[in-house]
Amino acid sequence: QVQLQESGPRLVKPSQTLSLTCEVYGASIDSYFCTWIRQPPGKGLEWIGNIHYSGRTIYNPSLKRRITMSVESSGNHFSLKMTSMTAADTALYYCATDVGGSGHLRDWGQGTLVTVSS
Amino acid sequence: QSVLTQPPSASGTPGQRVTISCSGSTSNIGSNDVYWYQQLPTTAPKLLIYSNNQRPSGVPDRFSGSRSGTSASLAISGLRSEDEADYYCASWDDSLSGLYVFGTGTKVTVL
Repeated sequence: QVQLQESGPRLVKPSQTLSLTCEVYGASIDSYFCTWIRQPPGKGLEWIGNIHYSGRTIYNPSLKRRITMSVESSGNHFSLKMTSMTAADTALYYCATDVGGSGHLRDWGQGTLVTVSS
Repeated sequence: QSVLTQPPSASGTPGQRVTISCSGSTSNIGSNDVYWYQQLPTTAPKLLIYSNNQRPSGVPDRFSGSRSGTSASLAISGLRSEDEADYYCASWDDSLSGLYVFGTGTKVTVL
């Protein structure tokens, strides 16, 4: 069974860059697309983007200028970087496997809460 | 602001059937598959329905999905207390250069 675990800082200062990692357990990442999703407290889900093991990415146009996704070949994980963080970026950040890049988000991590505050 | 509109809430008594709608457009539901996710309190979302009406292994057949034109629906029959959760529809939208959109979400309450 595939399990995912997000990790990264819980607190980020305004204007700083957020770096998150999604570790994949139980399968090799060369089988998957990885999707990042976020959920502000008490609000709905927002798709951030996805990345294939090959490095091909699709980003949410509203976030495209600020995000970079990558595959870490040295480990079995994916990464997300988001620049110029503001309070509006405070959210639970999830990673999920995307079957064939179809939007079929099958396996989800438990999420990591990121708060943007000085 | 989501392009997929759901009612904010729905409710029913145990055993009843509840239906949740998801309204979109020709650029999303009208031309792409619909997915449904269930989010229990304080947990990560879980895939409930894929490709409009397919259930992943382990999802009870009380849950069913359908798509017609630019709208989709999720039906929960034989409502149970453990079905109390938030439900989100999702689909790709072709109007921008690749965007996966979630619905606004529906809170289901079991009375």
